[in-house]
Amino acid sequence: EIVLTQSPGTLSLSPGERATLSCRASQTISSSSLAWYQQRRGQAPRLLVYATSNRATGIPDRFSGSVSGTDFSLTISRLEPEDFAVYYCHHVTLPLTFGGGTKVEI
Amino acid sequence: QLHLQESGPGLVKPSETLSLTCTVSGGSIKSSSYYWGWLRQPPGRGLEWIATSYYNGNTYYNPSLKSRVSISVDTSKNQFSLKLTSVTATDTAIYYCARRLYYDTSPFDSWGQGTLVTVSS
Repeated sequence: EIVLTQSPGTLSLSPGERATLSCRASQTISSSSLAWYQQRRGQAPRLLVYATSNRATGIPDRFSGSVSGTDFSLTISRLEPEDFAVYYCHHVTLPLTFGGGTKVEI
Repeated sequence: QLHLQESGPGLVKPSETLSLTCTVSGGSIKSSSYYWGWLRQPPGRGLEWIATSYYNGNTYYNPSLKSRVSISVDTSKNQFSLKLTSVTATDTAIYYCARRLYYDTSPFDSWGQGTLVTVSS
């Protein structure tokens, strides 16, 4: 089972700033196997990025994903008010696992 | 527009069986293009995958829950269901149903709104 470790636990930023979220896999995984979700308070998760760097339908281009070795990143280039939420990385190959989440707060 | 809606009891007693149903509208559960799955999220905590099924009955389970879980698909009602036996307080969570495309590295691209299930006597 792949363990995903997200850091930091909480990121305190202001609108307009850049956010970089990290997700480290416990072993080497395919770049096609990593997705990111956004979860706003009281809502279901929403798919943002799949296969490391592909934005899902309707996701603005301020969201981008990348990888270096076993370290995956989600970058939000300029935070909008609606971007303050919790973000989860997700290993999409069986058995499916999730990281613990990063909260992006004002 | 695909819509998934969870339904079932909001309160289950310890040691009993939790049963939930997901009704799919705006698309056919018999489509060969999708898997259907259940996930959960304890209050204030992270996400956990529970189980996934294909319309033909092929099923996949989280190893940590496999002994207590079953997922099934009812194509005549366009629904799929979850049963979790011998529940304890640690099974208290928001339960989500979701869809993923039928290939090995697909994410969950459509989710229900979730339903809170509390395990308590």
